[in-house]
Amino acid sequence: GESVGLHLPTLSVQEGDNSIINCAYSNSASDYFIWYKQESGKGPQFIIDIRSNMDKRQGQRVTVLLNKTVKHLSLQIAATQPGDSAVYFCAENINTGGFKTIFGAGTRLFVKA
Amino acid sequence: DSGVTQTPKHLITATGQRVTLRCSPRSGDLSVYWYQQSLDQGLQFLIQYYNGEERAKGNILERFSAQQFPDLHSELNLSSLELGDSALYFCASTRLAGENNEQFFGPGTRLTVL
Repeated sequence: GESVGLHLPTLSVQEGDNSIINCAYSNSASDYFIWYKQESGKGPQFIIDIRSNMDKRQGQRVTVLLNKTVKHLSLQIAATQPGDSAVYFCAENINTGGFKTIFGAGTRLFVKA
Repeated sequence: DSGVTQTPKHLITATGQRVTLRCSPRSGDLSVYWYQQSLDQGLQFLIQYYNGEERAKGNILERFSAQQFPDLHSELNLSSLELGDSALYFCASTRLAGENNEQFFGPGTRLTVL
């Protein structure tokens, strides 16, 4: 499959454990944040989003936490499964008249069976 | 399947050449975004179009240009290609141009410049 980067931070977890992926964003004016998952050979896929007026949002097995004070986002995946193995990107939207999306560097998640 | 299509899937060309990458957004989506993903730089936003007009610009080189046509498909033109332009190029679409929109990504075009 396609390689999305040889120098990504890597997180290795055991199947069934919880995973926490962290991201520092750059612009204090950003007010909308998204987590994407990218599997090998595919385009990024939306997981969950959060607006800046929230500090937590939950999905089916995922939770996003936002700390605006330190410009930090995290993605928590509960009961991690082998199918969760992928590269995870955080992204921030900055309003420039249109919306410019800035992606973080990505974290590669390996799930050990 | 996101509903966004990109052609070609792979493209191999030589330095100095010009190529055109094509993207068709999801049915009903008016906004198209282009990204470059290379090994050492991650996903870089290039440019956004909404209903035929340029809406936001990122780190797009002057050798690159894009447009969105009346039928809403978009093309990214890359000229005077250099080795460093080798990358995956993704297109994404959203219904509107506003912020609170999940972007749907296509499968990408892998460009190799030899």
